[in-house]
Amino acid sequence: QKEVEQNSGPLSVPEGAIASLNCTYSDRGSQSFFWYRQYSGKSPELIMSIYSNGDKEDGRFTAQLNKASQYVSLLIRDSQPSDSATYLCAVNQAGTALIFGKGTTLSVSS
Amino acid sequence: DTGVSQDPRHKITKRGQNVTFRCDPISEHNRLYWYRQTLGQGPEFLTYFQNEAQLEKSRLLSDRFSAERPKGSFSTLEIQRTEQGDSAMYLCASSLEPTGGYFSPLHFGNGTRLTVT
Repeated sequence: QKEVEQNSGPLSVPEGAIASLNCTYSDRGSQSFFWYRQYSGKSPELIMSIYSNGDKEDGRFTAQLNKASQYVSLLIRDSQPSDSATYLCAVNQAGTALIFGKGTTLSVSS
Repeated sequence: DTGVSQDPRHKITKRGQNVTFRCDPISEHNRLYWYRQTLGQGPEFLTYFQNEAQLEKSRLLSDRFSAERPKGSFSTLEIQRTEQGDSAMYLCASSLEPTGGYFSPLHFGNGTRLTVT
């Protein structure tokens, strides 16, 4: 069974801190990796995609990918209360659809 | 880009009844996906289409579930003889087809929340 694993949390950080969210995956053939944010009662919305090893930055968000370690992470700098949500890691299995982790709940306190 | 549209937003049905949900994808997207999500879990893959062809169904998907995308545009998901365990949020997403083996991001609709009593 191919899997995407995330720590369910909750991860609690103070406003202005860096939040670090982690994800591991089991399919070595995976090539596409995504982070989604989901507010309670809402549908997932795309934050970032990453396809190559290394870092990819977009504003306050940085995605990091290490295919050798089968590990992808998301850093949120200068965390804001509005960042409080569940963060979903999604990974493609070779030749099939995106598989999602269970998500990590982030709570940013002001 | 009007986004992915799902209808209805909410559905309450009695156990044993059939229900059908509709999804209208982003117009230029040829891939359409159905996922199911329960509280505290990530979206669970159900099935996906490329144009009108259903390319994959989850092995966990009961025979009571069927999906169609007859003209490669909108899609319907039908659940026959609903059970209380079918209560969940049903999410539709669309995307462009992969390029060079790399997936395009999925864009989700607002979902249909099903409650089976």
